[in-house]
Amino acid sequence: GAVVSQHPSRVICKSGTSVKIECRSLDFQATTMFWYRQFPKQSLMLMATSNEGSKATYEQGVEKDKFLINHASLTLSTLTVTSAHPEDSSFYICSARGGSGSPYGYTFGSGTRLTVV
Amino acid sequence: QKEVEQDPGPLSVPEGAIVSLNCTYSNSAFQYFMWYRQYSRKGPELLMYTYSSGNKEDGRFTAQVDKSSKYISLFIRDSQPSDSATYLCASPTGANNLFFGTGTRLTVIP
Repeated sequence: GAVVSQHPSRVICKSGTSVKIECRSLDFQATTMFWYRQFPKQSLMLMATSNEGSKATYEQGVEKDKFLINHASLTLSTLTVTSAHPEDSSFYICSARGGSGSPYGYTFGSGTRLTVV
Repeated sequence: QKEVEQDPGPLSVPEGAIVSLNCTYSNSAFQYFMWYRQYSRKGPELLMYTYSSGNKEDGRFTAQVDKSSKYISLFIRDSQPSDSATYLCASPTGANNLFFGTGTRLTVIP
């Protein structure tokens, strides 16, 4: 089945530093990847959609200069949280489209818990 | 109005009980409906999906869609402690993204 690997699973960083999160599709080519953010006891909030080889599309209210997304290949997308602040602490989840198993082929990574201190 | 509405719970049931999880949606154009299960600090995993109206069964799980009332349900029979998780309903949009409900946190008590 389709597998999406997300790394790291947990990261703690100092305020003002940048953190990179990787999302890889292991056994399929992901034409589109999505990045979500999830606060405790809340649902997933879409941050941006990235298509391989083109600029990401950000949802309203998401700062594109703060959350840099790169989708340079069909198997890898990265999310970089720049100049992180404590309010950026959250659970970040990627989803890749292109695998099998469901309509539209959405497969989710296991998530990254970011804590900014 | 949100595209997909879901009662956040929490919901606690004894082991062996039948669980009913429900969502409503507002967009009559939605065709596919999905149920995801999310364990704590993990990404969502697809449980089941249905197309249009009707029922779909997979082991102890049954997904049901009633398009006339825009109501989708997930039933879990003989619930187990391992079923304790957050369950999210979702439907894809025309832009090929997923609209998620808020999720219902379920606890099955041994």
